[in-house]
Parts: sequence; structure tokens; C-alpha cells
Amino acid sequence: KAGVTQTPRYLIKTRGQQVTLSCSPISGHRSVSWYQQTPGQGLQFLFEYFSETQRNKGNFPGRFSGRQFSNSRSEMNVSTLELGDSALYLCASSSAGTGYNEQFFGPGTRLTVL
Amino acid sequence: AQSVTQPDIHITVSEGASLELRCNYSYGATPYLFWYVQSPGQGLQLLLKYFSGDTLVQGIKGFEAEFKRSQSSFNLRKPSVHWSDAAEYFCAVGNTGNQFYFGTGTSLTVIP
Repeated sequence: KAGVTQTPRYLIKTRGQQVTLSCSPISGHRSVSWYQQTPGQGLQFLFEYFSETQRNKGNFPGRFSGRQFSNSRSEMNVSTLELGDSALYLCASSSAGTGYNEQFFGPGTRLTVL
Repeated sequence: AQSVTQPDIHITVSEGASLELRCNYSYGATPYLFWYVQSPGQGLQLLLKYFSGDTLVQGIKGFEAEFKRSQSSFNLRKPSVHWSDAAEYFCAVGNTGNQFYFGTGTSLTVIP
């Protein structure tokens, strides 16, 4: 099985712009989660989608949004970029709805905001 | 609220020495616990997981972890570290609602 893929791998944007990141989960996985990783902060949970519905949400401002398509692919969008949004954005997929789950991570998208 | 604490930001060990990375969690029920490793420029790879049963869990690459409910800990161990183990290690706790909480990570340096 192919792993979790994320595109693009690297992005450079300027303040005020918006950006869209894409994640393709492992085939058959219906849950996709997004994390922001910054030095010293570890992984901060953004949101989780399951069957096209946002099921869980972290403590991020409304500038961060996401969606999931019927094929389980997911996108996250960040509007009005700020310098502090520079980070590695990781996507993870898992198979089951609830219960014992294991997350599989993609390589991440490195976003730099200038 | 659920949370994970990794008290050691950075650890340096000599190749061949033993390793223990600490992880403490806060969770009201029986937690699902994980250790992940992240090499530079890579995503996270699962080393091992604990859901229930035997409190000593074996993982890949010779790692093991022990769940101690009384101490709310899930420390990761390896008897003999290899240079290729240099990476960042993350402990995480999950719940049945598919929410996962990660620690801030421990960076491991291996000295030849």
C-alpha cells in the first residue's frame, strides 16, 4: 500500500496570502488528521476529518480550515498568513472510526511565511 | 484534560549505551499510548503502541516501553543505542474519539 502523501512538500508565502495544503491518506483510511509542528511546541492538533465531516478540532484560530472529499483526500487552508504560521504541517490517516487506532503520518509540508 | 509531558528536551548518549526516554501522561481513563520517531525531513514513524494487556511492549528497531499506571508513565528504552537512532522521539496519548495528544519531543544525539 502506498503511504500518506502530502503536496506540496515545500511552500514559501508572504504575510497576508493564503495557502492550501493537500493530503492523500492510505487507501481505505477514512480519518485524516492535521498537525502543526514547530520547534519547542511539538505537534499541535489542528483538526480531524472522518467521512467528510470535521469530527475533532484543536485550539487554532478560524484562519485555519479544512475539508475532506468523498475519496478521503483532505485539504487544509490557512488564510491571511502570519509569520508565526511558519511550520511543518503533518497529515496523518487512520482506518477505523473510533476505538483502537493507529495513525500513519505523511512526510509533511514545510511552510515558510516571509 | 489529556496531556503528555516529555521532561527531557535533549539527550546525548554514547553509541552502545543504554537509553531511556521519559514520558508522563494525563488521562482519566485507560490511555492508548504511542511512541513515534522522526528523522530529519521525515514524517513520524510508529515505534510501538500500548492499548491494553501486557504492560511491557516491544516495538521495532529494538525499542521497548513499559506502561506504569501508578506513575502515569510510558518510558521508552533501548539496551544498546546505534548511531542511526539519532532522531526526535515523540510520545503520544490517544482516546477512543480518535484524538491524539503529543509531547514536545526529545531530541536524541548519539556520540560515536
